[in-house]
Order: sequence, then C-alpha cells, then structure tokens
Amino acid sequence: AQSVTQLDSHVSVSEGTPVLLRCNYSSSYSPSLFWYVQHPNKGLQLLLKYTSAATLVKGINGFEAEFKKSETSFHLTKPSAHMSDAAEYFCVVSPVGAGSYQLTFGKGTKLSVIP
Amino acid sequence: DAGVIQSPRHEVTEMGQEVTLRCKPISGHNSLFWYRQTMMRGLELLIYFNNNVPIDDSGMPEDRFSAKMPNASFSTLKIQPSEPRDSAVYFCASSLKRTYNEQFFGPGTRLTVL
Repeated sequence: AQSVTQLDSHVSVSEGTPVLLRCNYSSSYSPSLFWYVQHPNKGLQLLLKYTSAATLVKGINGFEAEFKKSETSFHLTKPSAHMSDAAEYFCVVSPVGAGSYQLTFGKGTKLSVIP
Repeated sequence: DAGVIQSPRHEVTEMGQEVTLRCKPISGHNSLFWYRQTMMRGLELLIYFNNNVPIDDSGMPEDRFSAKMPNASFSTLKIQPSEPRDSAVYFCASSLKRTYNEQFFGPGTRLTVL
C-alpha cells in the first residue's frame, strides 16, 4: 500500500521569496515520486519526477525536489516565487514495476503568491 | 505537439440523462487513463487502457459508468443515467507503456448534473 500526505493545504508567499511545499509518503517498496501542478481550470502538468536516480531532482520553471528516504519526504522548493507559480500542487507516488500506472495523489497544496 | 484533447470542456445536464465524455490521447501513446476529481475524494483513477484494452477498471464507481477505446486515438467515458453525485471534473491522461507512471493530462471536462 502507498499513501501521500501533503502537510499544508494552503501556502502563501510573497513574490521573490522561497517556496517550500511539503510532502511525506508511505510505501512498502522504493517508489517513484512526482510533483504535478494544476493551474485554475487547467489539466495537471508534470513538474518533476524521482525514479531512484539522483536524489535531488530538477524540474521545470525552476522547481526542484529532494528525495529523503530516511525522512520519507519529497518536498518541493523554488528559490524565488513568481506570480505565475500560483496554482495547486500535487505530490504523487507510484510503485515501481507492473503496477506503476497506479498513481496515488496527495490532497493538494494551494500556493498563493502575493505581489 | 498537441496534448491530450478532451471534449466537451463543460457539460451541464439533468439527472437521468446520458453523458458522454471524449478523449484523444497524445499520438503514439499506448496507455490511456480516466480520472475523476472531486473536492471530497481528490483524484481517483477510474479505468486504465493499454493498447485499447481495458486493464484495470476497479475504480469505475458502478454499472452506470462505462468506458470504451475503439482505437488508439479515441476513448469515451459514458454515464447512463447520470446523477448529481457524478458532478466532478473528469480527466483523461495518456502515457507510453514503458513509462506509464509519467502521465500527460488533458484539460478536463467539468460535469454538472442538476
């Protein structure tokens, strides 16, 4: 079984300040981990993915995430927030192997960026 | 490149009516997924097709829901009869089989059943 907990339902930052969106996962095996972003009335877009290679993963639009097995965490960060980053972000876990199509989504973190 | 295309983008219907949602996956992708997103339950996988064949439909809520994929470039999700509790955003996603956890999502269909 696998699960994802996004620790904050809503995060608010000022433009130009760092972003931290927290995610903890639970999995009985080494998982694949993803972050997706959903802008209002849009579909989900893949930001980045971890698949057991480098633990620090770089994604699009300046986002990155670090896989920490000891802490079962996969937090998303960005050094400087931009207004266009305002959206909802989903942390996602999937198993490796035959069942890896089964994505388990967190409940989402809504990011607000204050000008 | 065109992404996943879904139609209609919005659908408002009355309880008891049949609703058909449509999806065109990314060309060359051989896996297709239907998801439902609600405030209460978040994103849930309804059904997964591989090479046009349904592989996992364990997430389909009940017999009122059915999905088909007659060819590699088209899929439908049908609800008959529709109920107010079916109101949600329905997403279609596609992927390559070798990376089928890297899924590309369409813009979704917002369904409202009155």
